[in-house]
Parts: sequence; C-alpha cells; structure tokens
Amino acid sequence: GAVVSQHPSWVICKSGTSVKIECRSLDFQATTMFWYRQFPKQSLMLMATSNEGSKATYEQGVEKDKFLINHASLTLSTLTVTSAHPEDSSFYICSARDHQKGEQFFGPGTRLTVL
Amino acid sequence: GQNIDQPTEMTATEGAIVQINCTYQTSGFNGLFWYQQHAGEAPTFLSYNVLDGLEEKGRFSSFLSRSKGYSYLLLKELQMKDSASYLCAVRVSGDDKIIFGKGTRLHILP
Repeated sequence: GAVVSQHPSWVICKSGTSVKIECRSLDFQATTMFWYRQFPKQSLMLMATSNEGSKATYEQGVEKDKFLINHASLTLSTLTVTSAHPEDSSFYICSARDHQKGEQFFGPGTRLTVL
Repeated sequence: GQNIDQPTEMTATEGAIVQINCTYQTSGFNGLFWYQQHAGEAPTFLSYNVLDGLEEKGRFSSFLSRSKGYSYLLLKELQMKDSASYLCAVRVSGDDKIIFGKGTRLHILP
C-alpha cells in the first residue's frame, strides 16, 4: 500500500512551547490530508482537514489558533501545536487520501508528551 | 448525526474464522474502510468498499450492503498476531471526511 511518513515519531516538550509535526505522502500526491488525535483506549477523533493551497477546515471544538495547519505542497502537511499544555499530550496521526484510488492511509503517528 | 456501531470486544481461537460486524447511519456515504490498529501504533489500511458485495484479500475479506448500512470484516485462519483493534470507518460524501467507529478489540486465544 501507499506510504505516509510522519516526523517526529515522538516528542517531549515543556508546557508553553510549540511543536511542529510533519506529514508526508511518499509515493502519491495528496491534495487532502487529515489530522487525527487519539487518547489512550479511545477512537480516533478528526481534528481538521488540510487542503493543499487553501485554509484547513477544523472540526467543532478544535481551536484553529492553537493547532495551526499548513498544507504547502501536494506531499506535505504540517501541524503545529502552539503553547502546548499537558492536556495536549496525545497520539497525533495524519492521514492522506490517494485520490486516484480513493484509499486513505495513515502515517505512523507522533506521540506528544507535554510536561 | 453520524453513527457507526461495532462490537466493543470479541474473542476467537487461533486457526478459526471471525466476523466483525459494523452498522452505520451517516448523512452521506462515499465508501467504507476497515483498519487494523495494534496498541500504541497507527491504523493500518485493510480494505475499502464503495460498491455492494464481497472483496477478498488473502485471509481478510470485507463485505458491504449500502441499502442496509452494513459491513463486515471476515478474518480466516486466525493467527496470534491478528490480536488488535479493528476500526470500521465511513467516508461521508460531500466533505471527504472519514468518521471512525470506536473499534472492536479482537483477542486471539491459542
């Protein structure tokens, strides 16, 4: 299947700092990427839809000024968690859609721990 | 609203067959996905059904009935490594979003 990479795979930061997570589609172009968050033993929750060349669409309850999304190219989307707090500690997973096939693949995830 | 239902947990024996059901009620429909997720890892793509019927991929098969809002994932010749959560997800037409069910934790016994 198609490959989606994510970097970093894990990060530990101090409260108040900002963290940037990168998501890349390696062997297909993704005009649309998605950012999910998953807390332990819970389902994936969609945070936002990232569209290449335009503003992201955020789900209800997700602060767009706190979770900045940039989809600058057909293979790269970034999520920046600004002024991170301990309650932002979670597993962040990106996903990219292969528009030719309709299939959607996930990156390996980024585990964020905010101290 | 959107609703995707699947059993919370299931148990099966190594070498056997198990069927995980999923029912959905969504504002639109543009495909149904099944993913496998091991603890602490991201989901892995298993199948994508858009049209009614059965799609077979090795030991895994997925079935869809759009009129009934129903799908199942069939796992044959179960192996211990199949112990994982299986997520049913629906792409809601119009906005391209994929909505996930809460997942079914499958336990494989030797």
